Amino acid sequence: DTAVSQTPKYLVTQMGNDKSIKCEQNLGHDTMYWYKQDSKKFLKIMFSYNNKELIINETVPNRFSPKSPDKAHLNLHINSLELGDSAVYFCASSPYVDTGELFFGEGSRLTVL
Amino acid sequence: QQQVKQSPQSLIVQKGGISIINCAYENTAFDYFPWYQQFPGKGPALLIAIRPDVSEKKEGRFTISFNKSAKQFSLHIMDSQPGDSATYFCAATSGGYQKVTFGTGTKLQVIP
Repeated sequence: DTAVSQTPKYLVTQMGNDKSIKCEQNLGHDTMYWYKQDSKKFLKIMFSYNNKELIINETVPNRFSPKSPDKAHLNLHINSLELGDSAVYFCASSPYVDTGELFFGEGSRLTVL
Repeated sequence: QQQVKQSPQSLIVQKGGISIINCAYENTAFDYFPWYQQFPGKGPALLIAIRPDVSEKKEGRFTISFNKSAKQFSLHIMDSQPGDSATYFCAATSGGYQKVTFGTGTKLQVIP
């Protein structure tokens, strides 16, 4: 059983399109995240949700909209895609409030042409 | 603003050697320092972590050394193996809701 699963694994799309990435965790964790990893492998937090409530929003453009229908799911919708959005997007979850113990999915590689 | 500086960017070590990756931080509020290992095509996975009240933590071949006064910490991989070839990230976090700040990563290659 995959602990944190993301779909799709790969997205290739044109500039200006809208796309969504879905994430589900079966670990029973209360906190979920979206991270962006750029071409230089730098990992940057985008959003964090705790039990469906937005906790962290790291100055991400409004074109990015996370949605958490329940604490096991955190989806990411991106409007009007730009070339600079090309990256690997990782979903993660965490069991504890006060540690940095993150469980990552395998990532969704987004390529904007 | 980068809050966790990591070096080197890449590292080549012979099998059986010691791999050393260094990190430095600025924010004294950080209170948990995990290391993550990432293989190509996979997400990062927690490898080992330390809190600032201890100076060293060892798990198998992996050891974290922590110097609170210098605000530095490092990962040592003893008896490095080709299977250890991956990208390693140091990280730091503070307070609730785990806003984890990652270093820039070190690509380790262990050659036979």
